[in-house]
Amino acid sequence: AQRVTQPEKLLSVFKGAPVELKCNYSYSGSPELFWYVQYSRQRLQLLLRHISRESIKGFTADLNKGETSFHLKKPFAQEEDSAMYYCALTYNAGKSTFGDGTTLTVKP
Amino acid sequence: EAGVTQSPTHLIKTRGQQATLRCSPISGHTSVYWYQQALGLGLQFLLWYDEGEERNRGNFPPRFSGRQFPNYSSELNVNALELEDSALYLCASSTGTSGIYNEQFFGPGTRLTVL
Repeated sequence: AQRVTQPEKLLSVFKGAPVELKCNYSYSGSPELFWYVQYSRQRLQLLLRHISRESIKGFTADLNKGETSFHLKKPFAQEEDSAMYYCALTYNAGKSTFGDGTTLTVKP
Repeated sequence: EAGVTQSPTHLIKTRGQQATLRCSPISGHTSVYWYQQALGLGLQFLLWYDEGEERNRGNFPPRFSGRQFPNYSSELNVNALELEDSALYLCASSTGTSGIYNEQFFGPGTRLTVL
């Protein structure tokens, strides 16, 4: 079955430190992967998608098919990055599977 | 531009009753998605509607159903409510029928409590 695993429920780093939010998936086909973010008192919103190969707010994510991972990285965390982050897999014409989310706290 | 709206904000029902949740997508969006977020769990995909048709559904029993209207707004109906249906229900919308490649814009959610 398709599955997305975010092993860390909570992640805390200091401002300026590198941060990596882990995401592993299981899917036998070609995955379509996304990272969504929810800032405090705001709606869930798209952060980035793997097909765009873009960097948003300094975050990047590389799809590693060999390791079935799509980890989210930022070299220098900022306090405004504190939020809940969800990794999501879309497959089979529109079905989506989300991970349980990781709460990132960036301390001053 | 107005975002995705959902109503009601909160809904309290008792076991066995039916709940109806509503969603209005962003103007121009034809796809609507429904998700369930139970306490302590991630987002669970419920349903995807596009151009008035159900395109796909998640692993939920048939008592979870919905529809999409000609104006692309959508309703989620949950029949024979059970305690474990208590959750935040999120609606999202996107453009086009290639929903898998399109960004989903989320609404604020409806908090359903089943007593």
